[in-house]
Amino acid sequence: GDSVTQMEGPVTLSEEAFLTINCTYTATGYPSLFWYVQYPGEGLQLLLKATKADDKGSNKGFEATYRKETTSFHLEKGSVQVSDSAVYFCALLYGNNRLAFGKGNQVVVIP
Amino acid sequence: NAGVTQTPKFQVLKTGQSMTLQCAQDMNHEYMSWYRQDPGMGLRLIHYSVGAGITDQGEVPNGYNVSRSTTEDFPLRLLSAAPSQTSVYFCASRGTGTGYRNEKLFFGSGTQLSVL
Repeated sequence: GDSVTQMEGPVTLSEEAFLTINCTYTATGYPSLFWYVQYPGEGLQLLLKATKADDKGSNKGFEATYRKETTSFHLEKGSVQVSDSAVYFCALLYGNNRLAFGKGNQVVVIP
Repeated sequence: NAGVTQTPKFQVLKTGQSMTLQCAQDMNHEYMSWYRQDPGMGLRLIHYSVGAGITDQGEVPNGYNVSRSTTEDFPLRLLSAAPSQTSVYFCASRGTGTGYRNEKLFFGSGTQLSVL
């Protein structure tokens, strides 16, 4: 079935470092793709989205490009801050009404 | 502007007990859904609804019931709780207009449930 796969394990990095979180998807058709972020003790919030191939979603310095040829939607940020510490989820909208999430990546930014 | 409100925030149950997790939204969203979040598993869809009187199963519906009598409310019922249902539960909603592929999910703050 339609699904997303995120890289394994937490990500720990220093402030101002470059962040990449990999996400690949399996889907029939052309799904919409999303990145959600979850701060401690809160529900998820939409970070960015892309609805068709080659679209680039961006928000708060984060970017992700919908790559149909590699079925990927990797999240990047050029210079992370301590406040970016959170769990990041890649997600795919399929069947009109179902959003499938990846397992999430804990990001810890050290001052 | 309350958004999506979930109650309770925390709950401890004994095996076999029943309870209802409440979810309400004030954004007139047609679509509402329940997810559970478990370590290493991400979020998994339990049930969803595209409007009052309409519900459907997600990935992990067993052991849970839902109903949608109003647009605003979408309660999740555990009829006989089991330890495997220990999890964090999130309710989420969004619009279902012509731009539904662009619509973001609005999440509640979650209910942490422990079944002993």
